Amino acid sequence: GENVEQHPSTLSVQEGDSAVIKCTYSDSASNYFPWYKQELGKGPQLIIDIRSNVGEKKDQRIAVTLNKTAKHFSLHITETQPEDSAVYFCAAGSGSARQLTFGSGTQLTVLP
Amino acid sequence: EAGVTQFPSHSVIEKGQTVTLRCDPISGHDNLYWYRRVMGKEIKFLLHFVKESKQDESGMPNNRFLAERTGGTYSTLKVQPAELEDSGVYFCASSQVGNYGYTFGSGTRLTVV
Repeated sequence: GENVEQHPSTLSVQEGDSAVIKCTYSDSASNYFPWYKQELGKGPQLIIDIRSNVGEKKDQRIAVTLNKTAKHFSLHITETQPEDSAVYFCAAGSGSARQLTFGSGTQLTVLP
Repeated sequence: EAGVTQFPSHSVIEKGQTVTLRCDPISGHDNLYWYRRVMGKEIKFLLHFVKESKQDESGMPNNRFLAERTGGTYSTLKVQPAELEDSGVYFCASSQVGNYGYTFGSGTRLTVV
């Protein structure tokens, strides 16, 4: 089955700096790669996703890149703000109604 | 639009007891998923319903776990009897057929003592 590795497990950045979280996956059949943000006491919230026919996608301060050959994808957050502090999860899946395999999460702390 | 609702938000039970978790998906979402996060590790898939049918239950850990989705609306996940290793946060998520993204509920934190 699919295996997703996520690094780092914790990340602290100064407000205004950039943050990068990286994930690798094992199953070449995976074609959907979402990123979720989980704030304290809440469920994971989808913040951006990418499909395997796209190499990069951007939404304001958030961008995701995908390298299918190397089987890795990354989340980039620019101009970080304190409200970006949360746990971020990457995931991989195939098809629109299939299970997702999640990484173990990254605790991002943005220091004011 | 109301989100995915889960209750209870917290449950503390003794080993050997029974607990039932409930999930109300977003109205019109035929896909319903259960996931679990244990001890700060990754979020792991448990099972997937399409309407009232179990599409994939490959992630269910053992036969102490029973999930139902009567009438294709809300779903319940029963753990009977509960063991210590069942402690964790149980998430429910839903999506429309054909959509890739899930909407998660806030989760139920289950503690078995």
